[in-house]
Amino acid sequence: KNEVEQSPQNLTAQEGEFITINCSYSVGISALHWLQQHPGGGIVSLFMLSSGKKKHGRLIATINIQEKHSSLHITASHPRDSAVYICAVRYNTDKLIFGTGTRLQVFP
Amino acid sequence: EPEVTQTPSHQVTQMGQEVILRCVPISNHLYFYWYRQILGQKVEFLVSFYNNEISEKSEIFDDQFSVERPDGSNFTLKIRSTKLEDSAMYFCASSVVVTGEAFFGQGTRLTVV
Repeated sequence: KNEVEQSPQNLTAQEGEFITINCSYSVGISALHWLQQHPGGGIVSLFMLSSGKKKHGRLIATINIQEKHSSLHITASHPRDSAVYICAVRYNTDKLIFGTGTRLQVFP
Repeated sequence: EPEVTQTPSHQVTQMGQEVILRCVPISNHLYFYWYRQILGQKVEFLVSFYNNEISEKSEIFDDQFSVERPDGSNFTLKIRSTKLEDSAMYFCASSVVVTGEAFFGQGTRLTVV
């Protein structure tokens, strides 16, 4: 069954902490996406990965194809990073299959 | 920066009524999608659309649902006879190619009463 699992479900951190969110999937994929959902509901694409590592500002995403695992890291976390972070994967179809998300709260 | 826009942001409708949710995808994108998120649940795929036809749809996308690209810019989702369980946030997305990065709109919150 094509599933996406994320951990942890909820995460709290103090400002400045290094954050890691994990995503595992069950079978081979064509691409993995990391997305951010703010309290208002809108979804913003952060990264699309099929191999290796990508960095944008304080955000880093890595993927290990053999392990079927990806991580999203946030360095020097800030309260404005508080959001739900969602992993979604694409198999050999049009659709993205979403994980349940990780709710991150960063306190000053 | 180009963005996907959705209207309305919130729609309340009575059970059994028809609703049309509207989306303007990014102008050079060729693939269009609708997803929905029931409150407290994960985002689910509804349908993808390419070259003026549905290319893939989920089990959720039954005969009550339809999509259309009536002109060169709009992409609509119609629900013919709404049910209480259709209450959800509906997201439109678009991409240049099916394997490319998907850009999402801000969503339309549909409440069926």
